[in-house]
Amino acid sequence: DAKTTQPNSMESNEEEPVHLPCNHSTISGTDYIHWYRQLPSQGPEYVIHGLTSNVNNRMASLAIAEDRKSSTLILHRATLRDAAVYYCILRDVGPPSNTGKLIFGQGTTLQVKP
Amino acid sequence: NAGVTQTPKFQVLKTGQSMTLQCAQDMNHEYMSWYRQDPGMGLRLIHYSVGAGITDQGEVPNGYNVSRSTTEDFPLRLLSAAPSQTSVYFCASSSVGVPQHFGDGTRLSIL
Repeated sequence: DAKTTQPNSMESNEEEPVHLPCNHSTISGTDYIHWYRQLPSQGPEYVIHGLTSNVNNRMASLAIAEDRKSSTLILHRATLRDAAVYYCILRDVGPPSNTGKLIFGQGTTLQVKP
Repeated sequence: NAGVTQTPKFQVLKTGQSMTLQCAQDMNHEYMSWYRQDPGMGLRLIHYSVGAGITDQGEVPNGYNVSRSTTEDFPLRLLSAAPSQTSVYFCASSSVGVPQHFGDGTRLSIL
């Protein structure tokens, strides 16, 4: 499984945008880039995913570099509730690797200051 | 729609005891997985299943058994509990094109 590299921690002010980077230089053609986050004392929850094009949903935006070796999760206006650990994960959906399993790294702990 | 349900939420065991952590999903997902999360760490994959009757090992399978007799259920068995297995255990399910849904976790302490 290809690995990802994320900063251990980041800080943001409430209501400001947050850009969470992720490097994945060994990404393969069938790897989707997934982001999950884990709020304190909860299980991880899905945030967003993409393959090549930038993606937007109600929670966040995902900007993917043209060479796909890095990506950035963008929270447009951070709230206190966004304080969590954010995981960038590569999920291979090509057979025979399409098993649904995820390999988590350490993630980025985001602190949001009021 | 309950999603992924894990029971129990909390459990304390003595070293050497065995127990089964239950996981059930009602979304008809073919993929199910078990993870453990130690304090301050990311999740590590224990075992996973791509369908009923099919299981495989993840990163840290030793000391754990699984079986998948139905699509809905994926129990995790601790054969002989050890203090090193004190952790929070998460079960997840997903399908092709569907992100993983996680349960709320089982907090397990082994004395």
